[in-house]
Amino acid sequence: GQQVMQIPQYQHVQEGEDFTTYCNSSTTLSNIQWYKQRPGGHPVFLIQLVKSGEVKKQKRLTFQFGEAKKNSSLHITATQTTDVGTYFCAGETTGANSKLTFGKGITLSVRP
Amino acid sequence: NAGVTQTPKFQVLKTGQSMTLQCAQDMNHEYMSWYRQDPGMGLRLIHYSVGAGITDQGEVPNGYNVSRSTTEDFPLRLLSAAPSQTSVYFCASSYSEEGAGELFFGEGSRLTVL
Repeated sequence: GQQVMQIPQYQHVQEGEDFTTYCNSSTTLSNIQWYKQRPGGHPVFLIQLVKSGEVKKQKRLTFQFGEAKKNSSLHITATQTTDVGTYFCAGETTGANSKLTFGKGITLSVRP
Repeated sequence: NAGVTQTPKFQVLKTGQSMTLQCAQDMNHEYMSWYRQDPGMGLRLIHYSVGAGITDQGEVPNGYNVSRSTTEDFPLRLLSAAPSQTSVYFCASSYSEEGAGELFFGEGSRLTVL
């Protein structure tokens, strides 16, 4: 079945450093979504990417969808302590009975 | 705006007991789903529904039942709880019937099975 992979599961950065994480799918995706979950909270939608090569920005966060629509990246510029949390990507395949499959997430900690 | 409401927030069960996790949304979303979250495992889909009267299995459906009699409600039933069902459960809904739209999550229900 479809697999969505996020490696590593944990990353620690110094406040002010940039951070990049990747999401890879075993199959071609129709779209990919990114969510953020704060410690003790619930996942909150950040963005959805649909087009091949698409790039979207939200303040210090930059999201990119790969040309082959099988991978995606999230880049955070100058991390802040408010960026702490777990970031999940979720990919949806094309065709009938497609489901949204979540990666295992990457937990980001930021040292002040 | 209430969004997606889950109850209870916390529950402790003994092995073999049954219970229902409630989920209600007030956004008139057609798509609703249940996920479980375990450490290091991400979010795994249990069951989902694309509209009233329609349900389907996700990645980890065993031990769980669902029904969708109204657009607003999507309860998750554990018929005979097992320790392996100890987890945090999230209900999520989306405006899109295909589930391709933004998922709105409830605050979660933390279940412990002894």
